[in-house]
Amino acid sequence: AQKVTQAQTEISVVEKEDVTLDCVYETRDTTYYLFWYKQPPSGELVFLIRRNSFDEQNEISGRYSWNFQKSTSSFNFTITASQVVDSAVYFCALIKAAGNKLTFGGGTRVLVKP
Amino acid sequence: DGGITQSPKYLFRKEGQNVTLSCEQNLNHDAMYWYRQDPGQGLRLIYYSQIVNDFQKGDIAEGYSVSREKKESFPLTVTSAQKNPTAFYLCASRGFPDTQYFGPGTRLTVL
Repeated sequence: AQKVTQAQTEISVVEKEDVTLDCVYETRDTTYYLFWYKQPPSGELVFLIRRNSFDEQNEISGRYSWNFQKSTSSFNFTITASQVVDSAVYFCALIKAAGNKLTFGGGTRVLVKP
Repeated sequence: DGGITQSPKYLFRKEGQNVTLSCEQNLNHDAMYWYRQDPGQGLRLIYYSQIVNDFQKGDIAEGYSVSREKKESFPLTVTSAQKNPTAFYLCASRGFPDTQYFGPGTRLTVL
């Protein structure tokens, strides 16, 4: 069975601070995808980033960056120079390749104060 | 614009009523999904469909039904058998590779 754990339930920062969200996962599948989604107060789940299990290269996309470490089953996500509009709940999720069920973590609420 | 639409945004149901939530996509995706989200929690899979006229139960299918008569549409019916239907319902479709894109959601409240 798959499992995704987001140990941080809520993080509060002041604007322009960096925010790192932790995600630890469990799976027996050898090929899988990891995701981060953002859920603003409106409720819609917005796709942010995807990483496949064969690619541990860490990347930066604008103010977002991620650190995928297969050895520790972690997929952490960082928002650099946070803005008030980044305030939302962020979900880490896992799916096996060609699978149908996304397994979500419990979410981390990020509050960015001006 | 391509995307996923859900209607209505808010829905109120009386005890014993069946209600149907709409989900439409114009992304030409084959697979579509319904998830339920309860306050402060992640999403749980209700049903999914990989092709027209076919659908499979997810983890919490009891009290729900679906149909998939058209590629673009995947409506969800919340039946009176669902004992605790108050929740936020999200529809998704799957693009390449294995990425699910979500609609804006329907918030269902039982009166």
